[in-house]
Amino acid sequence: GQNIDQPTEMTATEGAIVQINCTYQTSGFNGLFWYQQHAGEAPTFLSYNVLDGLEEKGRFSSFLSRSKGYSYLLLKELQMKDSASYLCAVKRREDRGSTLGRLYFGRGTQLTVWP
Amino acid sequence: DAGVTQSPTHLIKTRGQQVTLRCSPKSGHDTVSWYQQALGQGPQFIFQYYEEEERQRGNFPDRFSGHQFPNYSSELNVNALLLGDSALYLCASSLLPGLAGDSYEQYFGPGTRLTVT
Repeated sequence: GQNIDQPTEMTATEGAIVQINCTYQTSGFNGLFWYQQHAGEAPTFLSYNVLDGLEEKGRFSSFLSRSKGYSYLLLKELQMKDSASYLCAVKRREDRGSTLGRLYFGRGTQLTVWP
Repeated sequence: DAGVTQSPTHLIKTRGQQVTLRCSPKSGHDTVSWYQQALGQGPQFIFQYYEEEERQRGNFPDRFSGHQFPNYSSELNVNALLLGDSALYLCASSLLPGLAGDSYEQYFGPGTRLTVT
């Protein structure tokens, strides 16, 4: 199976910066996703990395190191509305060579932002 | 542009019953995946449909079955419900990528909250 590890909980204050780490072990790696999920709602796409390096999108950035099996999501200028679960998900190119991969999710990191 | 829609929103069933959940993919998408998300956990892949066939399957028993229709919408059926089937069932749609490097981003629907009593 795939081992995807991320911290269970994190807390931070408004205006601060927080980094959520994710480590993974998988074969056929074909991309890493970060999703945000508010309680009782569907996950919403935040970022996608398939090559090493940093992808920046507004207040959110995501980093990938394929050799280390490591990614992080960086959230800047935190706002109360950023309180949510952040899901790291890995996509594999399945053994059959199909382009129809599936996502393997971690358990999610519950971020609480305090005023 | 309509996103992914699912019905019903909530459902309460008793053990042993059968349930059917429905999903309409985002406009233009042809691939549908189903996930089960237990409380406090990440989504777990159930199966994926493309061209009306099941293409990938996760570690779920045969009680979980599905279907995809010519209009790309999909159903998830669960037979002989167990208490442990209580969860949020998420449908995600995507496009079959034609080019290397496509993000294969999956768009999730709002989910169906199934409670088995």
